[in-house]
Amino acid sequence: KQEVTQIPAALSVPEGENLVLNCSFTDSAIYNLQWFRQDPGKGLTSLLLIQSSQREQTSGRLNASLDKSSGRSTLYIAASQPGDSATYLCAVRRRGSRLTFGEGTQLTVNP
Amino acid sequence: DGGITQSPKYLFRKEGQNVTLSCEQNLNHDAMYWYRQDPGQGLRLIYYSQIVNDFQKGDIAEGYSVSREKKESFPLTVTSAQKNPTAFYLCASSTDVTYEQYFGPGTRLTVT
Repeated sequence: KQEVTQIPAALSVPEGENLVLNCSFTDSAIYNLQWFRQDPGKGLTSLLLIQSSQREQTSGRLNASLDKSSGRSTLYIAASQPGDSATYLCAVRRRGSRLTFGEGTQLTVNP
Repeated sequence: DGGITQSPKYLFRKEGQNVTLSCEQNLNHDAMYWYRQDPGQGLRLIYYSQIVNDFQKGDIAEGYSVSREKKESFPLTVTSAQKNPTAFYLCASSTDVTYEQYFGPGTRLTVT
């Protein structure tokens, strides 16, 4: 059974800092991995999708990497802003199967 | 605008009543999903449907029912058999090739 772990559970940083969020998964036979952002009381917003054949994906100040063999993904946020404050979730999918979610990292960026 | 709509945003019901949560998408996605989110427990899959007139149980299907009569719509009924129905319910759909999932804004259900 696939298990997804996100460390740390919460992170507080000053504005402008570069930061890394971690995601690990137990079964490396994944089809893809997806990073989401969730603001309080809202739905999830898809940030980045990495296919199993890819090593990284970039969107603006966000960069996600994937190392299937070690069962790890990282989400790098450059020059953090208070508007980046949210919970970040990663989820992995095996082909034809459902997403398995981590419990998320709650990020606070202080002005 | 393409997207997923869920209504209502807040729903209040008395214990013992069935309640139906609406989910509609205009993204032309075949697959749709229902999740439940509780504080400190992450997202748990209730039901999913990969095609019209077909659906499968997720990890916590007991006390819930769904239908998929149209591609655009995937309503969830929370029955009186669900012991702890108060939660935040999220609907999602996914593309057919990459399976990238997109979520609706959620419905917060409170049962007293």
